[in-house]
Amino acid sequence: DTEVTQTPKHLVMGMTNKKSLKCEQHMGHRAMYWYKQKAKKPPELMFVYSYEKLSINESVPSRFSPECPNSSLLNLHLHALQPEDSALYLCASSQSWGGLASYNEQFFGPGTRLTVL
Amino acid sequence: AQKVTQAQTEISVVEKEDVTLDCVYETRDTTYYLFWYKQPPSGELVFLIRRNSFDEQNEISGRYSWNFQKSTSSFNFTITASQVVDSAVYFCALSDLSTNAGNNRKLIWGLGTSLAVNP
Repeated sequence: DTEVTQTPKHLVMGMTNKKSLKCEQHMGHRAMYWYKQKAKKPPELMFVYSYEKLSINESVPSRFSPECPNSSLLNLHLHALQPEDSALYLCASSQSWGGLASYNEQFFGPGTRLTVL
Repeated sequence: AQKVTQAQTEISVVEKEDVTLDCVYETRDTTYYLFWYKQPPSGELVFLIRRNSFDEQNEISGRYSWNFQKSTSSFNFTITASQVVDSAVYFCALSDLSTNAGNNRKLIWGLGTSLAVNP
């Protein structure tokens, strides 16, 4: 089963709302990622979790708060977002992350299209 | 610095034509990995291929083929007998040692090529 699932598929929220994006994988992968993608642009890395620990935070504003409850789940908590945060948010997973060993390909979920009003 | 260039922003072809998507990369590392991903209109990024810098053999998978040439720092992707379902944005990406993340490797993405296959 090479599938990464994400919920919800679409989300509209106001600037004062609190919401969460969810991601799940059952491939036994130990690395999980959050990306942000604007229209007609490549994905931008936000966070990397490796063995449930935050490994990379790409200077993301604190209104985005990631959480990795276990090796299969990844959440992104949203609070006080701005209209410019509207984008497609993609979750991905790979076998592992880090080190000088071979780099594993990432498998992506279908994404959550977020609109901030 | 690392860089991936996909010079073709948009390509439009008629079904059954062959089409080649170009990818040129820059890196100072001797060990690196190259990837191609497909993003159809639905939004999900689909992994197509990974190639490491020590393996210059070309790869063929059905109608898809990849030509890796270290001498020209290129990793081009050809679709033979294109179909409407091939319409998507295709991204080429590079992974090498990123000094910003210690020994970790991050993906450096090209800007993508939007391919439209018309009936």
